[in-house]
Amino acid sequence: DIQLTQSPSSMSASLGDRVSLTCQSSQGIGNYLSWYQHKPGKPPKPMIYYATNLADGVPSRFSGSRSGSDYSLTISSLESEDTAIYYCLQYDEYPNTFGAGTKLELK
Amino acid sequence: EVQLVESGGGLVQPGRSLKLSCLASGFTFSNYGMNWIRQAPGKGLEWVASISSSSSYIYYADTVKGRFTISRDNAKNTLYLQMTSLRSEDTALYYCARDGGLPGPDYWGQGVMVTVSS
Repeated sequence: DIQLTQSPSSMSASLGDRVSLTCQSSQGIGNYLSWYQHKPGKPPKPMIYYATNLADGVPSRFSGSRSGSDYSLTISSLESEDTAIYYCLQYDEYPNTFGAGTKLELK
Repeated sequence: EVQLVESGGGLVQPGRSLKLSCLASGFTFSNYGMNWIRQAPGKGLEWVASISSSSSYIYYADTVKGRFTISRDNAKNTLYLQMTSLRSEDTALYYCARDGGLPGPDYWGQGVMVTVSS
């Protein structure tokens, strides 16, 4: 099975900071990676799909990138509403697998 | 508006069975694959099972293979998850999610809680 390693597992940042979260795949998955924002009591919200595409309604401060087997979610200027757990998901092959998540908090 | 509404959850004893449903609306259900994804209390997300639009292709996580069965009724716009031989580790919030193709799982329901306990 494909393993996704997310780093860091948690982090805190200040309003306005540039934040980057990373997801490393154990095998090649092309661009079949998506990012989800998960807040308590709500379903996960798609943020980025196919590695670099912004999902509908997601603010432009979010972006996704890929370098080899490393995938990143970047927030250009952190806002308070961005605090959440972020998960990456590979859907290149079955079983689909999620990373363990990165908890993003405000400093 | 795309809507996915799960139902059928509850408290069940270990070894018993439970069937979840997910009623879809706001899109042509028969054109999309569907997924079940779960989150155990205090844990991360776990993909459980997927089914193609015509039920031709079905996949399961190893943790549920042989115990869970995903199915769908396109005439009723409904996705199912039949869960048997339930274990305490199956306790989780179960989400159904549409497979958007290139976007992956793009719409999610609110989830339904399943608690396996004696």
